[in-house]
Amino acid sequence: GEDVEQSLFLSVREGDSSVINCTYTDSSSTYLYWYKQEPGAGLQLLTYIFSNMDMKQDQRLTVLLNKKDKHLSLRIADTQTGDSAIYFCAGRPGGGGNKLTFGTGTQLKVEL
Amino acid sequence: EAGVAQSPRYKIIEKRQSVAFWCNPISGHATLYWYQQILGQGPKLLIQFQNNGVVDDSQLPKDRFSAERLKGVDSTLKIQPAKLEDSAVYLCASSLGLGEAFFGQGTRLTVV
Repeated sequence: GEDVEQSLFLSVREGDSSVINCTYTDSSSTYLYWYKQEPGAGLQLLTYIFSNMDMKQDQRLTVLLNKKDKHLSLRIADTQTGDSAIYFCAGRPGGGGNKLTFGTGTQLKVEL
Repeated sequence: EAGVAQSPRYKIIEKRQSVAFWCNPISGHATLYWYQQILGQGPKLLIQFQNNGVVDDSQLPKDRFSAERLKGVDSTLKIQPAKLEDSAVYLCASSLGLGEAFFGQGTRLTVV
């Protein structure tokens, strides 16, 4: 099965950019996702990228995909205190079905 | 549009007791998922339904866990008997086919 790895913790100052990284093992992943989880809440889909894309930008969010290195990153511009949460990357392997394999999550702490 | 509803929000039981969780997906969503999220880990898929049929239950510990989705709408997940290692947040999600999965707030289970 697929393995998805993330660093556990990231701390940034308000107004700076945050970059959260993720590596995955299944090269056949067709979709790669970023989810946000606030305390006591479920998972909220932030953005996703198709495997045939290198980059996707959505307002303050930029997703970069390096298929060769199986590396995915999420950049949050002008990070705000409301961005403090746990961020999960997830991959959906090819071959049908809709099974998402999640990483361990990166806790983002935004300091004033 | 109403989101995915789950109940209860919290549950504390003793080991060897049984427990059941309920999920009401978004209206019209044919696909329903149950995920287990152990503290400090990413969610892990337990079971996926397409209407009232099981698509994937490969990671469901079938000796103690069971799930059903009668009539292809609501779903229940049961654990009997519970073990200490079952302490986790149980997340329900639904999607239109293979589209974006929307998550409920989860049920936090503590087994003592």
